[in-house]
Amino acid sequence: DAMVIQNPRYQVTQFGKPVTLSCSQTLNHNVMYWYQQKSSQAPKLLFHYYDKDFNNEADTPDNFQSRRPNTSFCFLDIRSPGLGDAAMYLCATSKRTGSSYNEQFFGPGTRLTVL
Amino acid sequence: DAKTTQPPSMDCAEGRAANLPCNHSTISGNEYVYWYRQIHSQGPQYIIHGLKNNETNEMASLIITEDRKSSTLILPHATLRDTAVYYCIVRVAPHNQGGKLIFGQGTELSVKP
Repeated sequence: DAMVIQNPRYQVTQFGKPVTLSCSQTLNHNVMYWYQQKSSQAPKLLFHYYDKDFNNEADTPDNFQSRRPNTSFCFLDIRSPGLGDAAMYLCATSKRTGSSYNEQFFGPGTRLTVL
Repeated sequence: DAKTTQPPSMDCAEGRAANLPCNHSTISGNEYVYWYRQIHSQGPQYIIHGLKNNETNEMASLIITEDRKSSTLILPHATLRDTAVYYCIVRVAPHNQGGKLIFGQGTELSVKP
């Protein structure tokens, strides 16, 4: 089945130690998104890629970076995690056709703990 | 982006229809209404979307009022597996802003035996 895969499902890191979360997709979608979801809150968009075109949300901290080496993979890098970055990180994909974006497909998420 | 208002929680008996309301009184003419749900510890799942007309798929029905200021998601025969947080999202016109979704707080639906 075509899907969005996130690894690992659970990640523990230490305060200030860089961490990378990964997302892959078999849907061949040209748009990939990263959302942050803190406990008991709704998901919040951090940034997205349309092909290799990176689009950052205005309020996304500089501590968060992303890479998309090819269509299938997208990475979220947190350069110096703080305690406030503990959250579920959700990857999603969508197909853009012309100027229209179809519905988003989400992965299961990676739960990040910062010690 | 138009703001949505949903009740924070609802209960529904298993096998009955679940009707989840959403107010979006500031919706613009080119904004769509989307519904997603998030089962505990999983990623959100797309359910349905519409612009003006009522829509139905294998998961649910979406009823949008004529003035488009509110809508209702209907799960016709709720099961225990439908217990989740349901998000009503008014989405910017498809060609704007990368198709971003702005999630509100949603409605926590509990389906009870």
